[in-house]
Amino acid sequence: EIVMTQSPATLSVSPGERVTLSCRASQSVRSNLVWYQQKPGQAPRLLIYDASTRAAGIPARFSGSVSGTEFILTISSLQSEDFAVYYCQQYNNWPPITFGQGTRLEIK
Amino acid sequence: QLQLQGSGPGLVKPSETLSLTCTVSGDSISRSTYYWGWIRQPPGKGLEWIGSIYSSGNPYYNPSLKSRVTISLDTSKNQFSLKVTSVTAADTAVYYCARSGGDYGEGAFDIWGQGTMVTVSS
Repeated sequence: EIVMTQSPATLSVSPGERVTLSCRASQSVRSNLVWYQQKPGQAPRLLIYDASTRAAGIPARFSGSVSGTEFILTISSLQSEDFAVYYCQQYNNWPPITFGQGTRLEIK
Repeated sequence: QLQLQGSGPGLVKPSETLSLTCTVSGDSISRSTYYWGWIRQPPGKGLEWIGSIYSSGNPYYNPSLKSRVTISLDTSKNQFSLKVTSVTAADTAVYYCARSGGDYGEGAFDIWGQGTMVTVSS
């Protein structure tokens, strides 16, 4: 099973700041990596697929990148609505599909 | 516009079977080339993939749950279902149904249901 490790677990940031969230895979997942945003009481929302492509309707301030087995989600300028939990998820050679444990963005 | 609506009992007794249904509107689950999946989230915790079923009816399960899980399609009702046998308190979670596949990739869940909270308790 491929283990996805996200860091940090929690990040305290101010609106307007640039943030980077990390997700590392225990082995290669190629580009079969997606990012979700989840707000309290809501289902996750797909942000990024194929490691770096924004899903339909996702603002341009969200971007994804990859270096080897480390995947990065960048939010260029945090808006108030961006404070949420972010999950990465891989689906290379599934099953199983596996998620990271999540990174919570908090308001500083 | 595709929508998924999960439904089922909110309370299940230990050792019994959890049964949930997801009703799909806006597309036929048998015609489309998508996967229909179940993901759960224990209170205050992260997401766990349970399994998915392809539009042709082939299921795929998380090995950690495979012995207790069955996912099936009911094309006549445009629904797919989840059964988890021999439940314990560890199965208490919000259960989401979701669609993956298409342009986003076979494992990328782009449409989600609202989630169904299931509590395992006597």
